[in-house]
Amino acid sequence: GQQVMQIPQYQHVQEGEDFTTYCNSSTTLSNIQWYKQRPGGHPVFLIQLVKSGEVKKQKRLTFQFGEAKKNSSLHITATQTTDVGTYFCAGRDTGGGNKLTFGTGTQLKVEL
Amino acid sequence: GAVVSQHPSRVICKSGTSVKIECRSLDFQATTMFWYRQFPKQSLMLMATSNEGSKATYEQGVEKDKFLINHASLTLSTLTVTSAHPEDSSFYICSAPTGTPNSPLHFGNGTRLTVT
Repeated sequence: GQQVMQIPQYQHVQEGEDFTTYCNSSTTLSNIQWYKQRPGGHPVFLIQLVKSGEVKKQKRLTFQFGEAKKNSSLHITATQTTDVGTYFCAGRDTGGGNKLTFGTGTQLKVEL
Repeated sequence: GAVVSQHPSRVICKSGTSVKIECRSLDFQATTMFWYRQFPKQSLMLMATSNEGSKATYEQGVEKDKFLINHASLTLSTLTVTSAHPEDSSFYICSAPTGTPNSPLHFGNGTRLTVT
C-alpha cells in the first residue's frame, strides 16, 4: 500500500535557525496537505498543495510540492519556540478514494 | 472556523468493558468522518471511514466487530471499542472534512483511552 515517509524523524534547533522536513511518497499524489500537532494536542491543518512544482508561503513557512508529485517539503525560516511540535505531511493517492495517508512525522524542538 | 468536538477526552476502563467515543461536527455537516489511532510519538493510522447513512469502511487489519462505528446523523459519528484490552490503549482521534471528502481535515481533540 501507499507509504509516506518523512525525514528527519527528530530535529533540535536553536531559536533563529532554519528547519526543513522532507516528505516522500511511494506513489504519485493528487495533492498533499501539511498538519502541525503541538505536544498533547491534535493535528491542525496548515496548507494544501495541488499542482506539480507548487510553492506556497505562510509567513516564515514555505511549502513545496515536487514536480513528480511524489515529494514535498516544509521549510521554516528563523524558528521560534512557538514552532515546536510535530509536522505531518499527508497525501492522497491518484488512484482515487478519500483516504488520506499521513507521513511518519518530524518532531521539531526549538531551544533558546 | 469549523469545529469538531470529541468526547470524552480521557477515559480509563477495565479490561473487558466497552467504551464509546463521540465525534461531533459543531457548525457544519459531515457526511464523512475519519477515525484515526495514534501511538505515542508515532503517526496517525487511519482505522476507518465513517459514512452517514451507510456502513463504515474499515482499513485492512482493523476488526470491524471490535471497533464499532455508527454515523447516526450528519453531525455525529461514534466509535465503540468493544471488550477492550490493554493493547487497545491508545489515542483515538476523529476528523471531518468541511467541504468535499477531499478537502482538509478538522480534527477533534482526541480521546486518550487507557485499559487496565
